[in-house]
Amino acid sequence: KAGVTQTPRYLIKTRGQQVTLSCSPISGHRSVSWYQQTPGQGLQFLFEYFSETQRNKGNFPGRFSGRQFSNSRSEMNVSTLELGDSALYLCASSALTGSNREQFFGPGTRLTVL
Amino acid sequence: AQSVTQLDSHVSVSEGTPVLLRCNYSSSYSPSLFWYVQHPNKGLQLLLKYTSAATLVKGINGFEAEFKKSETSFHLTKPSAHMSDAAEYFCVVIPIQGAQKLVFGQGTRLTINP
Repeated sequence: KAGVTQTPRYLIKTRGQQVTLSCSPISGHRSVSWYQQTPGQGLQFLFEYFSETQRNKGNFPGRFSGRQFSNSRSEMNVSTLELGDSALYLCASSALTGSNREQFFGPGTRLTVL
Repeated sequence: AQSVTQLDSHVSVSEGTPVLLRCNYSSSYSPSLFWYVQHPNKGLQLLLKYTSAATLVKGINGFEAEFKKSETSFHLTKPSAHMSDAAEYFCVVIPIQGAQKLVFGQGTRLTINP
């Protein structure tokens, strides 16, 4: 079974632009979560989607948004990029939602904002 | 709020010697706790999880962790380190029961000396 895939793997943008990242979960998984990883703040939860509905949201500004499609694929969008948005963005999927469900992580998208 | 503290940012051991990575948690209820590993340029992989079934949890690649409520600790151990264990390790708690939101510790970088 294929793992979680994220596209693109690397991205370079300039301040003020917007960006869309894509995540394809493991086949059959319906929950997708997004995380931001930076050297200063570590790994932080962005949001979780389950069956096309946002279930939880982290403490990020409204510039960060996401959605999930009927095939469980998810996208996250960051508008008006800032230098501090440079990070590794990780996507994770699980079969169901709930605290004991193992989350499987993708390799991440490395975003650099110049 | 539920959180985890990893007591060492960097641990260095010789190949074949024991590994101890320390993690303390704070939680107002019986928590779900996890250890994840991240190898360079790769996504996160689940090593093991504690969900109140047993206090000693065995994971993959010879790792195990013991949940000690009296000490609010969940330390990760391995009897004999291997070169392939060199990676970043994260202690993780789920702060909201029934949710998929993971709260990560700051990470411990494990170096294995030949």
